[in-house]
Amino acid sequence: EDQVTQSPEALRLQEGESSSLNCSYTVSGLRGLFWYRQDPGKGPEFLFTLYSAGEEKEKERLKATLTKKESFLHITAPKPEDSATYLCAVQGPTFGRGTSLIVHP
Amino acid sequence: GAVVSQHPSWVICKSGTSVKIECRSLDFQATTMFWYRQFPKQSLMLMATSNEGSKATYEQGVEKDKFLINHASLTLSTLTVTSAHPEDSSFYICSARATGTAEAFFGQGTRLTVV
Repeated sequence: EDQVTQSPEALRLQEGESSSLNCSYTVSGLRGLFWYRQDPGKGPEFLFTLYSAGEEKEKERLKATLTKKESFLHITAPKPEDSATYLCAVQGPTFGRGTSLIVHP
Repeated sequence: GAVVSQHPSWVICKSGTSVKIECRSLDFQATTMFWYRQFPKQSLMLMATSNEGSKATYEQGVEKDKFLINHASLTLSTLTVTSAHPEDSSFYICSARATGTAEAFFGQGTRLTVV
């Protein structure tokens, strides 16, 4: 059974304070690891797909990396508009519970 | 990018009535669509997976007769909540995936309130 665990559950940052979100996964044969952003009252917005260990993808202040057991979403110099819940998922799809990020100005 | 449109964005209905939610892929053919339910501050709970032209596969604990899913075309899936009750009030979200791709794209969600 595929499993996804995200940490931390919640994260508060000051504007400009870089940090990382973790997604640990257990699957029998990875066919894709996905990151989404979800704002309150809206559907998740697709960010990245990673397929193999060592792969990295970037979009503005976000960079996603992948190893054989986990993925990280690095947020560099975050802004208040980056505040959202970030969801990680693997094929299935199986979602983690998400990390709620709040960036204070 | 891939666009998925979900309608309505919110609906209020009386207890005992049925409500239909539509999910459309606007710029791609979605061979697979997923329906989720999300409670406040909780993650997405997969309710069912539907493939175009086949019966939906429901997750354990989800009542097939209560949550009717139809995926009659490559661009449209519907979820009908039958004989709705207040405990069915929730945020329902669909996602769609094209043939041969791994990514699924989400609709905007539907806030259902049963009074």
